Amino acid sequence: GAVVSQHPSRVICKSGTSVKIECRSLDFQATTMFWYRQFPKKSLMLMATSNEGSKATYEQGVEKDKFLINHASLTLSTLTVTSAHPEDSSFYICSASEQFYGYTFGSGTRLTVV
Amino acid sequence: QKEVEQDPGPLSVPEGAIVSLNCTYSNSAFQYFMWYRQYSRKGPELLMYTYSSGNKEDGRFTAQVDKSSKYISLFIRDSQPSDSATYLCAMSAGSNYQLIWGAGTKLIIKP
Repeated sequence: GAVVSQHPSRVICKSGTSVKIECRSLDFQATTMFWYRQFPKKSLMLMATSNEGSKATYEQGVEKDKFLINHASLTLSTLTVTSAHPEDSSFYICSASEQFYGYTFGSGTRLTVV
Repeated sequence: QKEVEQDPGPLSVPEGAIVSLNCTYSNSAFQYFMWYRQYSRKGPELLMYTYSSGNKEDGRFTAQVDKSSKYISLFIRDSQPSDSATYLCAMSAGSNYQLIWGAGTKLIIKP
């Protein structure tokens, strides 16, 4: 099946610093990857759609300058939370779609900003 | 009205029972239907992936799609305590389209 690897799984950072989260498709090429944010006991909220070789498409209300997305290759997309603040603390999940296996998710990144 | 409706539960059933989870939707363009299981503090895990209408079975899990009624179901037979998790339905109009999610149903299987 399709496998998506996401790192790190947990990160604690100081307020004002930046954090990069990586999402890799291990055994397939993903022209499109998706970044989600999940608040406690809530469903997934799509933040942006990442397209290889072009700018990401952000959902309404998501600050593109705070959440930088780069999709440099067909197997790697990164999300950088810039100048993180405590309110950015959340569970971030990436996913990629593969023709036969549907949407596969990474294991998620628990970000805590202190 | 939300595009996808799913009862958040919690749904509590005894071990061994048959579990029925459901979602309704309003967008007739949806073609891909998925069920995910999510344990606390983990990413969603794909359980079933169905294209268009019909049934699909995988072990103890059966997914049903009724496009005429805009209704999808996930059945879990011989439920186990390890099945306790949040189950999310998701659907899209195409393989690279945005997924539209249900709210997720919290399932509790009591030993």
